[in-house]
Amino acid sequence: GQSLEQPSEVTAVEGAIVQINCTYQTSGFYGLSWYQQHDGGAPTFLSYNALDGLEETGRFSSFLSRSDSYGYLLLQELQMKDSASYFCAVHNNAGNMLTFGGGTRLMVKP
Amino acid sequence: ETGVTQSPTHLIKTRGQQVTLRCSSQSGHNTVSWYQQALGQGPQFIFQYYREEENGRGNFPPRFSGLQFPNYSSELNVNALELDDSALYLCASTQGQHYEQYFGPGTRLTVT
Repeated sequence: GQSLEQPSEVTAVEGAIVQINCTYQTSGFYGLSWYQQHDGGAPTFLSYNALDGLEETGRFSSFLSRSDSYGYLLLQELQMKDSASYFCAVHNNAGNMLTFGGGTRLMVKP
Repeated sequence: ETGVTQSPTHLIKTRGQQVTLRCSSQSGHNTVSWYQQALGQGPQFIFQYYREEENGRGNFPPRFSGLQFPNYSSELNVNALELDDSALYLCASTQGQHYEQYFGPGTRLTVT
């Protein structure tokens, strides 16, 4: 089976930096993705890591350590519009079937 | 906008009934996955179709079934609806086994 753990809620102020951690236990691992979902909206893709290290995309970065079964999403220069739920998701060995974590609700305050 | 559409937006059904949800993928996306998302939880993988064949299945009973058509549309069928089937149903499409999935806005199903 597969399981992913991430904090249920995180609160930060505008302009700050926040890190959302994700640990996983899987029977097969192909990569780790991050998705953002605003209330009432669809999940939207943020980043993907297949190899160890940091991937940077604008204000968002994602890190993976395969040996530690651990990853994180780093959001910099937080804006009010970043208030949303963030999900880590493991790709199984077949590559594209995702197992999602329970999500981290990020609240950005002025 | 992801270019993925779903219909209907909302649906109310009675326990024991059957429902069909529809998804229209981006042109050229030959892989579609369906997910169930209960309130306050992450999406759970139901199954995936690739070139009109089922390509993988999550931990869902056989009363959840699907179809994919050559025009990049697909269906999720659920028979013998149960109260616990109340959820947001999301479809997501991609090209082949590419890692980035494009989600539709979902269908909110309520079973009473």
